[in-house]
Amino acid sequence: GQNIDQPTEMTATEGAIVQINCTYQTSGFNGLFWYQQHAGEAPTFLSYNVLDGLEEKGRFSSFLSRSKGYSYLLLKELQMKDSASYLCALSNYQLIWGAGTKLIIKP
Amino acid sequence: ETGVTQTPRHLVMGMTNKKSLKCEQHLGHNAMYWYKQSAKKPLELMFVYSLEERVENNSVPSRFSPECPNSSHLFLHLHTLQPEDSALYLCASSQDWAETNYGYTFGSGTRLTVV
Repeated sequence: GQNIDQPTEMTATEGAIVQINCTYQTSGFNGLFWYQQHAGEAPTFLSYNVLDGLEEKGRFSSFLSRSKGYSYLLLKELQMKDSASYLCALSNYQLIWGAGTKLIIKP
Repeated sequence: ETGVTQTPRHLVMGMTNKKSLKCEQHLGHNAMYWYKQSAKKPLELMFVYSLEERVENNSVPSRFSPECPNSSHLFLHLHTLQPEDSALYLCASSQDWAETNYGYTFGSGTRLTVV
């Protein structure tokens, strides 16, 4: 199977750092995506990891460890606009999605 | 206009109604998708079209009927829906079906409420 697990909800403080984890059980995949989805809006692409390691894009970084079966999305210097759901997805011939993590940012 | 556009944004329908959701993409992509998104659940893939041919149908009830007249347009025809069909319906497109390394581009969705 390709079960993908993410925490349902997380809360963090404006200006802080938060790490959103994504664990999976699968026999193989091409890469792992992270998408951001604000309430009532389209999911939008954040990152794509193919190789193990950390990919940094400004305040957001994504990490993949194939041997350990997990990925995380790291958000730094949190802003109120980062309040959203964060979806991870594995790619093979189609995308397999986690249920998403709702991130709540408090002042 | 660029990206993926879905209409309507919101739809309330009775169980005996017939309605259609529309999706249009201006990205030159060859594959289009319908997803159902329910609270706290993973995105559920409903249908996939590649170059106007349906390539996936994931055991979706027949009360949902897709139509893809060309590679830029996708419809989801709805009839005799049930309250449990209430959800956000997302359309997406990608360069090619089964080539997922570039991800999908999503529309903003139609929030459907069945009463």
